[in-house]
Amino acid sequence: QVQLQESGPGLVKPSETLSLTCTVSGDSIRTYYWNWIRQPPGKGLEWIGYIYYSGNTNYNPSLKSRVTISVDTSKNQFSLKLSSVTAADTAVYYCARCVGGDCYFGFDYWGQGTLVTVSS
Amino acid sequence: DIQMTQSPSSLSASVGDRVTITCRASQRINNYLNWYQQKPGKAPKLLIYAASTLQSGVPSRFSGSGSGTDFTLTINSLQPEDFATYYCQHIYITSYSFGQGTKLEIK
Repeated sequence: QVQLQESGPGLVKPSETLSLTCTVSGDSIRTYYWNWIRQPPGKGLEWIGYIYYSGNTNYNPSLKSRVTISVDTSKNQFSLKLSSVTAADTAVYYCARCVGGDCYFGFDYWGQGTLVTVSS
Repeated sequence: DIQMTQSPSSLSASVGDRVTITCRASQRINNYLNWYQQKPGKAPKLLIYAASTLQSGVPSRFSGSGSGTDFTLTINSLQPEDFATYYCQHIYITSYSFGQGTKLEIK
């Protein structure tokens, strides 16, 4: 059974960098594409970006200047860094797996999500 | 960027009803369209990919159709566990944006 688990600080100060890690179990990270998605409280979903185990990444153009996604195949983990955060970045952050080139077969496994609040 | 617009934003229905949710893309996306179900406090669950293919384990009362710019999600014979929020998502270009959601409530 594939499982994903997000971890990281739940509170980040404005202008600082948000850092989260997703640990994958039950599957090798050397397959598929690994994504970050977020959801502000009471609002809809926003795709942030993905990484392939080779290090190939693709980011949402609206966040591209502030986002870095990296992978650690030895730990079966991938990570998100979002710089210069503001209150607008307060959200539940999910990691998820997608299948197929361009995620054609959808986002089939998700973590439970972690709330990150941006506040001083 | 491709905008995804769902209608209605909310919907009230009864157990046993048939409901249809519509998703419109701001440009043609072929069949690069997924549907998700989300319950409060939970991660989204993939229901349908490639506009009309049912994800493994999803009940057959769920179905999807459409291509180009207009898509529908249909739920036949609503069950109590189907009351949730539904999202469409395109995966045509890498903004992979979602619709705003449709909240399905019990009448």
